[in-house]
Amino acid sequence: QVQLVQSGAEVKMPGALVKVSCKASGYIFTAHVLHWVRQAPGQGPEWMGWINTGNGNRKYSQTFQGRITITTDTSASVVYMELNSLTSGDTAVYYCAREIGLARSFDYWGQGTLVTVSS
Amino acid sequence: QSALTQPASVSGSPGQSITISCTGTSADVGGYDHVSWYQQHPGKAPKLLISDVTNRPSGVSNRFSGSKSGNTASLTISGLRPEDEADYYCTSYVTGASRVFGGGTRLTVL
Repeated sequence: QVQLVQSGAEVKMPGALVKVSCKASGYIFTAHVLHWVRQAPGQGPEWMGWINTGNGNRKYSQTFQGRITITTDTSASVVYMELNSLTSGDTAVYYCAREIGLARSFDYWGQGTLVTVSS
Repeated sequence: QSALTQPASVSGSPGQSITISCTGTSADVGGYDHVSWYQQHPGKAPKLLISDVTNRPSGVSNRFSGSKSGNTASLTISGLRPEDEADYYCTSYVTGASRVFGGGTRLTVL
């Protein structure tokens, strides 16, 4: 069965960077685009960016441009999301989500990784 | 990219039907048939209910249906059940291959 398993919770100081991983299993890794979505406490989801695991192409939200890097290790079926220059406003649960091919929808989600930014 | 506009809350009694709207622009909702809807219970990841405006994935109840007119998409839930009480989010493909979410709607089953 399809699974997206994310790395554990992180606590970071303001100004630091965080790197969250998402390990995929149960399907052909390079056949689906993977997205990152975050959700601040009590807020709706916010789209951050995607990576085409087949060719490495990426697209980032303008909101995070310059602060975010999404990479992939196809040999390990893992996608990473790195966010730098953290502030308290980056405290959120971060999700990876698999995109259904042509439908542009997210059919499987990781369990979420809580990132807390606090001094 | 501004979030899609959803009502903050809706409510209904068991057995009734409710509709949640999702309004965007011609660069997102109005320009593409790539609107999807998600249900989220507290502490859980979102669950896909509807893709491509009207398509229900396997396993999703036929009480959930989607539609679109112009720049506004809608999710209708018929035969409300207590377990439908959750947050609902729309999302759309955006020109340039970005995505955008709605602000979310809290459904209360009275």
